[in-house]
Amino acid sequence: GENVEQHPSTLSVQEGDSAVIKCTYSDSASNYFPWYKQELGKRPQLIIDIRSNVGEKKDQRIAVTLNKTAKHFSLHITETQPEDSAVYFCAATRGSARQLTFGSGTQLTVLP
Amino acid sequence: SQTIHQWPATLVQPVGSPLSLECTVEGTSNPNLYWYRQAAGRGLQLLFYSVGIGQISSEVPQNLSASRPQDRQFILSSKKLLLSDSGFYLCAWSGGTGVNTEAFFGQGTRLTVV
Repeated sequence: GENVEQHPSTLSVQEGDSAVIKCTYSDSASNYFPWYKQELGKRPQLIIDIRSNVGEKKDQRIAVTLNKTAKHFSLHITETQPEDSAVYFCAATRGSARQLTFGSGTQLTVLP
Repeated sequence: SQTIHQWPATLVQPVGSPLSLECTVEGTSNPNLYWYRQAAGRGLQLLFYSVGIGQISSEVPQNLSASRPQDRQFILSSKKLLLSDSGFYLCAWSGGTGVNTEAFFGQGTRLTVV
């Protein structure tokens, strides 16, 4: 089955700096890679996603890059703000039911 | 628009008691449905998924079972809860097979087994 590894597990940045979270996946058949943000006690919310036919996607301060050859994808947050503090999960879909395999999460803390 | 409902929001149950968590989806038909569990401070582990009524696939052996009696209803059950069943349980849905769509999560049930 699919295995998704995510790094780092914790990340602290100063407000205004950039944050980068990286993930690798094992199943070359995976073709959809979403990123979720989860605030404490809340459900995960999709913040951006990328499909395998695209190398990069950007939405305001958030961008995701995908390298299918190397089987890794990354989340980039620029001009971080305190409200960006949360746990971020990467995921990859596999199988006929499009089930998501999640990374272990990154606790991002943006220091004011 | 599509919505997903999950209840209860919190639950405290004694060891050995039964469990039933329910999830329903509105505004879509034939969704893929999923149950995830999240232990405190950990990632999301896929427990079960379903591509149609009565079709249940289990990802990991465990003390839980799932059922899909209707197209948009997904139930997570246990006959006898263990302490290790404590966690945050999340139901989710996504579009049908062959479609690269995002998964939408319910609000979750925080289960504490005492």
